[in-house]
Amino acid sequence: ETGVTQSPTHLIKTRGQQVTLRCSSQSGHNTVSWYQQALGQGPQFIFQYYREEENGRGNFPPRFSGLQFPNYSSELNVNALELDDSALYLCASRQQWTGPETQYFGPGTRLLVL
Amino acid sequence: SQQGEEDPQALSIQEGENATMNCSYKTSINNLQWYRQNSGRGLVHLILIRSNEREKHSGRLRVTLDTSKKSSSLLITASRAADTASYFCATDAPFGNEKLTFGTGTRLTIIP
Repeated sequence: ETGVTQSPTHLIKTRGQQVTLRCSSQSGHNTVSWYQQALGQGPQFIFQYYREEENGRGNFPPRFSGLQFPNYSSELNVNALELDDSALYLCASRQQWTGPETQYFGPGTRLLVL
Repeated sequence: SQQGEEDPQALSIQEGENATMNCSYKTSINNLQWYRQNSGRGLVHLILIRSNEREKHSGRLRVTLDTSKKSSSLLITASRAADTASYFCATDAPFGNEKLTFGTGTRLTIIP
């Protein structure tokens, strides 16, 4: 078990709604990344936050947005949900500049959009 | 988009046999890592190999990297039922903020 937690574990929404997913970083980690994993696929990078600012973004539309708080926890917000947003959403935390192998993933939030 | 392909997509072997899976990627990398994922849950880091390394060992794991072919392989020796999982390679690129780009994964089933 890593020290990264995510909530909720499962969520069901309907198309057009908005959703907020939460991630609590491992103690001492100041960088959080979010990934989307569709069924049967590998995770895809959404964005990364460092010291409360977005620090890199993947190929996702602006309706995917995020926040990082002073305690380094983070939120992923998705507006105007589409059926294709159904996926496992993973967050990962690490201490910046300590190398990618120090990144720890949370258990994920499984989102189903109907 | 995915960085590349992993093959095979699925692999079933008897307990005690060795399992080999391969990963190909498209762009220059700093590092390549292998992760394990059980039943669609969180990812567990297994091993990292740097772009200037060719082979690395950790317990029952052996990883090779061929940067000229942009490919890597993961060997799991003396497999156990607990090794049943999906395995993903992930790369990070130079100047890429250590953002990870994952492959499509190999689903490994160990038959007791």
